[in-house]
Amino acid sequence: AQKVTQAQTEISVVEKEDVTLDCVYETRDTTYYLFWYKQPPSGELVFLIRRNSFDEQNEISGRYSWNFQKSTSSFNFTITASQVVDSAVYFCALKPIYSGNTPLVFGKGTRLSVIA
Amino acid sequence: GAVVSQHPSRVICKSGTSVKIECRSLDFQATTMFWYRQFPKQSLMLMATSNEGSKATYEQGVEKDKFLINHASLTLSTLTVTSAHPEDSSFYICSAKETSGGPSGELFFGEGSRLTVL
Repeated sequence: AQKVTQAQTEISVVEKEDVTLDCVYETRDTTYYLFWYKQPPSGELVFLIRRNSFDEQNEISGRYSWNFQKSTSSFNFTITASQVVDSAVYFCALKPIYSGNTPLVFGKGTRLSVIA
Repeated sequence: GAVVSQHPSRVICKSGTSVKIECRSLDFQATTMFWYRQFPKQSLMLMATSNEGSKATYEQGVEKDKFLINHASLTLSTLTVTSAHPEDSSFYICSAKETSGGPSGELFFGEGSRLTVL
């Protein structure tokens, strides 16, 4: 069974602060994908990153960075110098790579509010 | 990247009516599509897996007679909420799996459909 835990329900930061969103996952699969999505108030899911379990290299994309620690089953997401436009709900998700037509399993999401 | 289109994006209907939501993969074939439901301030919960040419697989607790899913072609799956009631008001999102990618094929999400039942 797969499970994704986002312990932070809501986070509020002041603009320009750095913020880290936590994601811890459980899976019996040895190969899997991890994802982060952003859901702004309009509702659509915006894909941010996909990382496979083979690759533990951290990734940076502009103000976004991701820290994948297989040893602790965590895939944390950091936004540096946060901006008001970053306000959204962020979902972490998991999907086995070679288990047929399996859907994404989502965490409960973290609502980030960036205050000007 | 690949595009999945959902229609309508918003729908308001009266209690007792049926509403159909379409999910289309615009530039790829999708043998499998997934339907999720999201209540306000909650996560996305998988409702069913839709397979082209066969019956959908529903998650536990989802009424198959209430939420009819039809996946008649490789680019279209429809979700029909039958005899809708206010408690069916929710945000419905589909995702489509690219057939050519095999078991690890990429998943793409539609924009979502917000249903309000009065």
